[in-house]
Parts: sequence; structure tokens; C-alpha cells
Amino acid sequence: AQTVTQSQPEMSVQEAETVTLSCTYDTSESDYYLFWYKQPPSRQMILVIRQEAYKQQNATENRFSVNFQKAAKSFSLKISDSQLGDAAMYFCAYRRDNAGGTSYGKLTFGQGTILTVHP
Amino acid sequence: NAGVMQNPRHLVRRRGQEARLRCSPMKGHSHVYWYRQLPEEGLKFMVYLQKENIIDESGMPKERFSAEFPKEGPSILRIQQVVRGDSAAYFCASSPPWQGENQPQHFGDGTRLSIL
Repeated sequence: AQTVTQSQPEMSVQEAETVTLSCTYDTSESDYYLFWYKQPPSRQMILVIRQEAYKQQNATENRFSVNFQKAAKSFSLKISDSQLGDAAMYFCAYRRDNAGGTSYGKLTFGQGTILTVHP
Repeated sequence: NAGVMQNPRHLVRRRGQEARLRCSPMKGHSHVYWYRQLPEEGLKFMVYLQKENIIDESGMPKERFSAEFPKEGPSILRIQQVVRGDSAAYFCASSPPWQGENQPQHFGDGTRLSIL
């Protein structure tokens, strides 16, 4: 079974600074997807960024980027130029690839990291 | 272009009552997933459905919980004889058929279930 581990229950950052959130995972699959979701106090689940395991290039979305280390099974999220609106719970998630004739999109989530942004 | 719609947003039940949570997927999405989030925890997969079919219910408790996604209408997560431990946020997510590009799941805003 796949597992996702976020070892930092809480992190804090000063506004405009950079912060990195850690995530490790365990899987025997070779093809899969990794995601970071943001959950603000409103409880919405907002997709921040996704990474395909077969791609060596790290995904970026504006101020958000990942450091994907497939051999180490590590998938960290870097937030640059942090803003007050970035304060939220962040979840790392794993999903098997849908190839091979199976249609299976179940997400496995980590425990989450609460990010506080100080003005 | 409405997103995933869940209702009610909040649901209060007394112990022993039934809870029904509804989820309407995004237009064009035929796959629905239910997740449960206990306080201070991450989301845990419960069940994966396609229209009129349960594909994977490995995360569903063996008793009292059931889910359906009929040909017409929303997906329903039903909890019978609720207990205090059922208090949680229940999220629904949807995605398009897999035949296309692998698509990320789009989440609803969740239903917070409180058991008195």
C-alpha cells in the first residue's frame, strides 16, 4: 500500500520570504502522480501543483515549485515570496497512474502541514 | 461552469439518526470519490464510484456506511445510526473519464457532519 508522510506538522514564514514543505512517500509503482493541495480555513481543497513521476523536470506554478526526487521518493513544495493568503494547511497526495486499463484515481494524502505567514 | 457541489454544508444529527450527504460532480465528470477528514488529520479515501457502479469501496467502514451514484441525480453517501465518531468533514471529488488525459480531482467544499 502507498503511504505519504509529511513530517512537519507546522511551519512558519515571514511575508516575502521562501519556505519549503517536505513530503516523502512509499510506493512500489513506477508510474504515478504527486500533488500538493492547499486547504485554507474555509476548508476548500485547492490544487496547488502536480507532478508526473515520468517527468524529470520539476513542476512550477508561479510562486510554487517542487523538488521531485524520484529515487529518494521525496516531493517537497517551495513557496517563494510568501503572501498572507498562503496561510493554510498543505497536503501532499499520491495517485497511481491510470494507465494499464484500470480507472483508479484514489488519492492518498499525508497528514498535512499548517503554514503560518507572519506579516 | 459550476464546480463540485456538496450539500448540505453543515449537517447536525443526533446519535442513532441517519445522515445523507449529497454530491453533484462537475459537468462532464462521471467519476466520484468520497473522502473523510477527521479533526486535525488528512483526508482518507472512502469510496470511488462511477455512474451506477461502485468501483472501490476499500475505505468504507464495513457497517452503517453506503454510497451510490445513480444514473440520474447526485451521488449520495449515507450513514445509518450515526455515532459520535462519525463527526468529520466529508469531501466529494470528481474527475472526467480516464480515457482522456489523467485529470486531477476537483473537490467540493465538503459537508461538516456533527453528531450530538
